[in-house]
Amino acid sequence: AQSVTQPDIHITVSEGASLELRCNYSYGATPYLFWYVQSPGQGLQLLLKYFSGDTLVQGIKGFEAEFKRSQSSFNLRKPSVHWSDAAEYFCAVVGETGANNLFFGTGTRLTVIP
Amino acid sequence: DSGVTQTPKHLITATGQRVTLRCSPRSGDLSVYWYQQSLDQGLQFLIQYYNGEERAKGNILERFSAQQFPDLHSELNLSSLELGDSALYFCASSSSSANTGELFFGEGSRLTVL
Repeated sequence: AQSVTQPDIHITVSEGASLELRCNYSYGATPYLFWYVQSPGQGLQLLLKYFSGDTLVQGIKGFEAEFKRSQSSFNLRKPSVHWSDAAEYFCAVVGETGANNLFFGTGTRLTVIP
Repeated sequence: DSGVTQTPKHLITATGQRVTLRCSPRSGDLSVYWYQQSLDQGLQFLIQYYNGEERAKGNILERFSAQQFPDLHSELNLSSLELGDSALYFCASSSSSANTGELFFGEGSRLTVL
């Protein structure tokens, strides 16, 4: 069955530092992978997605992610973090039933310190 | 603003009671999804409707039911409420049932069961 694992529950970085959030997936075929962000008191917003092709995908707000099939990973990166990036980040995979329902990881909470 | 509207935003009720959560999808979106977010379970997919028909079912309890009406709004009914049902319930919508994975989330309905 499909699933994603986010090994880091909470990450703290300094403003201006680089960021990498980890995501590992388990899926029977080529996965459709996503990163969503949830700001405090808000719903989730799509940052970026991977379906096929170029393994490095660009998203909104300066985020990018790299799909590595050999490592079953889809890590999210940003070269320079801004204080407004403090939020919870969720990796997700589409269900294998083809119904477009997403299965989310447990999330990584990002704290940005000045 | 995602365009997805959920009501009520907050709801406090007692064990054994029944509540209804309402969702209006983005204009033109045919698919509606319900998710439950709790501290211990994370984000769990409950159920998906597409143009009035149930499309996929996740970890939805038998005490819970949902429907999508001809005007495409959806309702999630939670009955015989238990303390453990306290959670944030999200509705999301998308334009199709295909595997795009791009869901637009509302801000959620926070249910507290006392």
